Amino acid sequence: AQSVAQPEDQVNVAEGNPLTVKCTYSVSGNPYLFWYVQYPNRGLQFLLKYITGDNLVKGSYGFEAEFNKSQTSFHLKKPSALVSDSALYFCAVRDKAAGNKLTFGGGTRVLVKP
Amino acid sequence: GAGVSQSPRYKVAKRGQDVALRCDPISGHVSLFWYQQALGQGPEFLTYFQNEAQLDKSGLPSDRFFAERPEGSVSTLKIQRTQQEDSAVYLCASSLTRLDEQFFGPGTRLTVL
Repeated sequence: AQSVAQPEDQVNVAEGNPLTVKCTYSVSGNPYLFWYVQYPNRGLQFLLKYITGDNLVKGSYGFEAEFNKSQTSFHLKKPSALVSDSALYFCAVRDKAAGNKLTFGGGTRVLVKP
Repeated sequence: GAGVSQSPRYKVAKRGQDVALRCDPISGHVSLFWYQQALGQGPEFLTYFQNEAQLDKSGLPSDRFFAERPEGSVSTLKIQRTQQEDSAVYLCASSLTRLDEQFFGPGTRLTVL
């Protein structure tokens, strides 16, 4: 069975500082990995995905993520956080062997302080 | 262009009532997914359609839950005899093909009293 872990319930960072949101995964085959962001009372917005190729993936709003196969991690990063980045972030995995469904982590709340 | 839309945005039901939740996917998207998101948790998969075919319903929690997509576009998630534990946000997502990223609607918040 596929699974995702986001070890931090909340991450606090000062505006302008680097932001990292951690994610580790477990799948039986090759993973397809995704990051989504959720603002209050809104659905999930797609940020980026890793399917194959370069381990560093660039996405929307200046976010990027690094795929590390040996550590089974897919951490989300942003070099300089904005107050508007404050939201709930979800990592998700799809394992081809498990069908097409996404399995999500529990989410990490990011709070960027001015 | 238009994204995924869901209606109603909020639904309050008395325990035992039936409810129907609607999802309008992005035009042309073949794949459609339903997820359930409990408060403070990540979304959990319910069911998946490819066009009108329901290919995976392994996440439906009980036989009170039923989903359909008869013409391969709009989908309806129906919950019969609602229970308090059904209270959650129900998210619909669509993707161009089953391998592409999923785009989510705003969700329907269901509260069962």
